[in-house]
Amino acid sequence: NAGVMQNPRHLVRRRGQEARLRCSPMKGHSHVYWYRQLPEEGLKFMVYLQKENIIDESGMPKERFSAEFPKEGPSILRIQQVVRGDSAAYFCASSPRSDTQYFGPGTRLTVL
Amino acid sequence: AQKITQTQPGMFVQEKEAVTLDCTYDTSDQSYGLFWYKQPSSGEMIFLIYQGSYDEQNATEGRYSLNFQKARKSANLVISASQLGDSAMYFCAMREGPEYGNKLVFGAGTILRVKS
Repeated sequence: NAGVMQNPRHLVRRRGQEARLRCSPMKGHSHVYWYRQLPEEGLKFMVYLQKENIIDESGMPKERFSAEFPKEGPSILRIQQVVRGDSAAYFCASSPRSDTQYFGPGTRLTVL
Repeated sequence: AQKITQTQPGMFVQEKEAVTLDCTYDTSDQSYGLFWYKQPSSGEMIFLIYQGSYDEQNATEGRYSLNFQKARKSANLVISASQLGDSAMYFCAMREGPEYGNKLVFGAGTILRVKS
């Protein structure tokens, strides 16, 4: 049973470009969460999705960030017009219900 | 106010000894869950142990145990018989009731170094 998959593991973008981060939850998990970890800090919640629905986006910046979890395919976190402050590790977690969340390996985004 | 407080930025422990990593939390909810995750230098987040607010017994998973003191709102992680591979960052996290969504709130973490 494969764990949570994230790709790419490392992503380099120049300021102003778009970043697309993908997350495939564990088999049977319909709840997906995105967290951001800035250097030397703990993880901060961004968004919680179930299939085709955004349940809680209270941690998402108001502009440039969006997330989706379509009926088919992985969840996508999209960051438009990236800035240097977006450089961070972005983690996806999944759970079968509202209990233990299992994390993917993360995507390390570097904005030049 | 901080919801999760980890007061120890860094800890050292001698190999084969036990170590306690502190975590206090703040919530007015009656139903909540407490988690510990390990983040080694490779960066992934590894789930270690879970304690529900209504669980009467302290959670244990192998060498990990959670010292849950509800009245004091503390959920300390105890690692017994430390190994060199335990060197990592450790995060305490809390999930509050449904009205807060299911998101986890993390502490700032404690770096543990195991000495040989």
